Amino acid sequence: TQLLEQSPQFLSIQEGENLTVYCNSSSVFSSLQWYRQEPGEGPVLLVTVVTGGEVKKLKRLTFQFGDARKDSSLHITAAQPGDTGLYLCAGAHGDAGGTSYGKLTFGQGTILTVHP
Amino acid sequence: NAGVTQTPKFRVLKTGQSMTLLCAQDMNHEYMYWYRQDPGMGLRLIHYSVGEGTTAKGEVPDGYNVSRLKKQNFLLGLESAAPSQTSVYFCASTNKIRRGYTFGSGTRLTVV
Repeated sequence: TQLLEQSPQFLSIQEGENLTVYCNSSSVFSSLQWYRQEPGEGPVLLVTVVTGGEVKKLKRLTFQFGDARKDSSLHITAAQPGDTGLYLCAGAHGDAGGTSYGKLTFGQGTILTVHP
Repeated sequence: NAGVTQTPKFRVLKTGQSMTLLCAQDMNHEYMYWYRQDPGMGLRLIHYSVGEGTTAKGEVPDGYNVSRLKKQNFLLGLESAAPSQTSVYFCASTNKIRRGYTFGSGTRLTVV
């Protein structure tokens, strides 16, 4: 089993603070994805990073893929209560159509609570 | 709206009962997956399908069976439910992994 270790598991912060969530593995991934999940709903894709060292920005969210494609981070600047939710990283070992059939390995998740 | 629809949304079963969870997608996706989500354990793959008529085992397949008779539907069956199968079940689909999965809203199953 390819493991993805996500940290921290819980994060409780005040509005306006910055935070970083980490996703680490000993395996190399062809791409890594970040999802956000709200209570009672399924995860929703935020971003896919593909190239080692790649950095993507989505408004106040910055995603980075490690040079060796084994780790990733999600940084949120000036967190808002609307950012509250479960954040999941997921690694892919190949593209759909390849031998891995598009299977994703998920981290355990980080529950983020942003207090007003 | 296009997407993945799961039925039912909630279900309570007694130990030993059977049931089928239905997943339907209208995006013409080839690849479909069943995951279970438990606190502190993320999402774990139960079974998956790479096309109509094909299925394969994932990480935690024991106690579950699946069928994909039509491209748009992926069924997950529990033949004899056990309390350890209490979980939230998610179906997902994709055509290209880099575009990410589209998930359903989940089925919360409790086995008593």
